Amino acid sequence: EADIYQTPRYLVIGTGKKITLECSQTMGHDKMYWYQQDPGMELHLIHYSYGVNSTEKGDLSSESTVSRIRTEHFPLTLESARPSHTSQYLCASSTGPGNTIYFGEGSWLTVV
Amino acid sequence: QKEVEQNSGPLSVPEGAIASLNCTYSDRGSQSFFWYRQYSGKSPELIMSIYSNGDKEDGRFTAQLNKASQYVSLLIRDSQPSDSATYLCAVKDGGFKTIFGAGTRLFVKA
Repeated sequence: EADIYQTPRYLVIGTGKKITLECSQTMGHDKMYWYQQDPGMELHLIHYSYGVNSTEKGDLSSESTVSRIRTEHFPLTLESARPSHTSQYLCASSTGPGNTIYFGEGSWLTVV
Repeated sequence: QKEVEQNSGPLSVPEGAIASLNCTYSDRGSQSFFWYRQYSGKSPELIMSIYSNGDKEDGRFTAQLNKASQYVSLLIRDSQPSDSATYLCAVKDGGFKTIFGAGTRLFVKA
């Protein structure tokens, strides 16, 4: 089981603000992911990383950016938030040949 | 485009019954298969993983895999109202990518 920590859990911000959603995992997993999920809807992969200094865009186009400078840390940044960015953002990590993915508790973002 | 398909439901079963959730996938090279449970407003949590053909049991849960038919299922025995949630099927391809289905909503009526 993985320990994945996301902060903040809930955030309400104004349009145009810059925000960073933090994600850390303590299990040394090499792969990390960001998913976006609206209530009652399916998961969409927006970013992933296979290791330090490796980042890739996912299946859903996103205006956010990510970085992976340390194994345990995978922050997501929105330079200028818009109401369309209102959603739940889920950080996850995995390792090993089976690649079991474990999720953090999620960050709920509301842009007003 | 690799796909993982699930019936969106809702699937409604009475308390104590067996709930059967199904998933099909398109990539024959898929190696690993997972079931997650997601309560409303929460993040997905892993229930079971299965890697080889056949059945795998864990408590009230049984995962079934048939690679020839590209089919994976989850059975929940003695369903409880607390099992009411969305169940996500996830499939890892032969490389590094894991694809999630859209999920099946399950309601267990008391």
